[in-house]
Amino acid sequence: NAGVTQTPKFQVLKTGQSMTLQCAQDMNHEYMSWYRQDPGMGLRLIHYSVGAGITDQGEVPNGYNVSRSTTEDFPLRLLSAAPSQTSVYFCASRRGGLRDSPLHFGNGTRLTVT
Amino acid sequence: GQQLNQSPQSMFIQEGEDVSMNCTSSSIFNTWLWYKQDPGEGPVLLIALYKAGELTSNGRLTAQFGITRKDSFLNISASIPSDVGIYFCAGLQSGAGSYQLTFGKGTKLSVIP
Repeated sequence: NAGVTQTPKFQVLKTGQSMTLQCAQDMNHEYMSWYRQDPGMGLRLIHYSVGAGITDQGEVPNGYNVSRSTTEDFPLRLLSAAPSQTSVYFCASRRGGLRDSPLHFGNGTRLTVT
Repeated sequence: GQQLNQSPQSMFIQEGEDVSMNCTSSSIFNTWLWYKQDPGEGPVLLIALYKAGELTSNGRLTAQFGITRKDSFLNISASIPSDVGIYFCAGLQSGAGSYQLTFGKGTKLSVIP
């Protein structure tokens, strides 16, 4: 049981480049989300999805797009990377239907934008 | 938005000592979660608390859900070097169709052998 799998683990981009951070989970979780972690800021929610075909914005959505075509996958797209998007990105999922079910996190993607 | 005040921000302790950290908020939560993040890894759930006043243990870890539902603490007894990491609290407000999770900024724990 792999849990939440994120790829790549590290990435360096130049300003203006685009890329997609991949996230997959094999726990059949309905809810998936993306966070960014910055020093002194804790974890901030970027986008989330409560099920296939449904996405919504979190606290810091600007500059990021998401889609949820399957239950398993929730990719995060940066269309035009900016240095302010240098961060560690975490994907997380949880069971739907249980209102208090906790989040399970992947191991993160460390992104540097130069 | 909602905020959690987690303290201390960092602590250095000798191996074998007990550790205590806490989170407070002006908001009421119906679930408290405690996570640990090892360097280069994602946060891992340690303890989940679902009822006000609940005291739950997981090995050397003990956490409590405050009676007012606005705070929680985590204790680690007899610390060992592998306890090093960042500990996050998270308060959850959930209801029909909503799931709002707020994270503290973390307590960075260093254990001196």
